[in-house]
Amino acid sequence: AQKVTQAQTEISVVEKEDVTLDCVYETRDTTYYLFWYKQPPSGELVFLIRRNSFDEQNEISGRYSWNFQKSTSSFNFTITASQVVDSAVYFCALSEDSNYQLIWGAGTKLIIKP
Amino acid sequence: ETGVTQTPRHLVMGMTNKKSLKCEQHLGHNAMYWYKQSAKKPLELMFVYSLEERVENNSVPSRFSPECPNSSHLFLHLHTLQPEDSALYLCASSQDGTSGGVETQYFGPGTRLLVL
Repeated sequence: AQKVTQAQTEISVVEKEDVTLDCVYETRDTTYYLFWYKQPPSGELVFLIRRNSFDEQNEISGRYSWNFQKSTSSFNFTITASQVVDSAVYFCALSEDSNYQLIWGAGTKLIIKP
Repeated sequence: ETGVTQTPRHLVMGMTNKKSLKCEQHLGHNAMYWYKQSAKKPLELMFVYSLEERVENNSVPSRFSPECPNSSHLFLHLHTLQPEDSALYLCASSQDGTSGGVETQYFGPGTRLLVL
C-alpha cells in the first residue's frame, strides 16, 4: 500500500540555522513520483519539486536541497540558512505511475524564529 | 491573471444555505481537482475532472456537487452542509495524467469555509 510519513509534526529553529524535513514513503511500484509542497499561512499549496523514481540525483535550488535515497525510501528536504519567510507547513506527497492520485504526508510545520 | 484562482476566499454559511465555490485555471491544463483540508487531517481528494469528465469521486456526500463546464473552470456547489464540513477547500489543476504518467498539480489559494 502507498503511504507517506512525515514524522516531524513541528520544527522550530532560529533564523539562519539549517533544517531538514524528513519524508519516508512506501510503495510497491517501481515507477513513482515524489513531491514537496509548501503551504504558508495564506493557505495556497506551492509546488517546490517533483522527482521520479529513476532519478536519484540530489537537487539544489538556491537555499533548498533534496536528498532522494531509494535504499531507505526517503526524500528529505533541507533548507540552508533558514529565513522567517520559510515558516510554513511543508507536505511531502507520492504518486504511483499506475495511479495519478497523490498520497499526502501529514505535513511538518516549520517555525523560523527571528 | 495567472495560475489558479479561487473565489470566494472566505465563506460563512448556515446549514440551510446553498452556495458555490469557483475555481479558474489559466495554465492551459485539462485536469482539475477539488481537495478538502481539515484541521489535523491529511489532505483529502474529493473530485477529479479530466477533459471535463469526472474521473474520481472519493465517496463524497451528495451535499457536495461538482461541475466542470470547461477545462478552465471548476465549481463546487454546496447544499445543506454540516458544521464538520468547515474546512479549507483547495482547487488544483494539471495536465491530464490519467493515461499514464503523473503531472504536477498546481493549487489555488483555497476557500476557507465555515458552516454554522
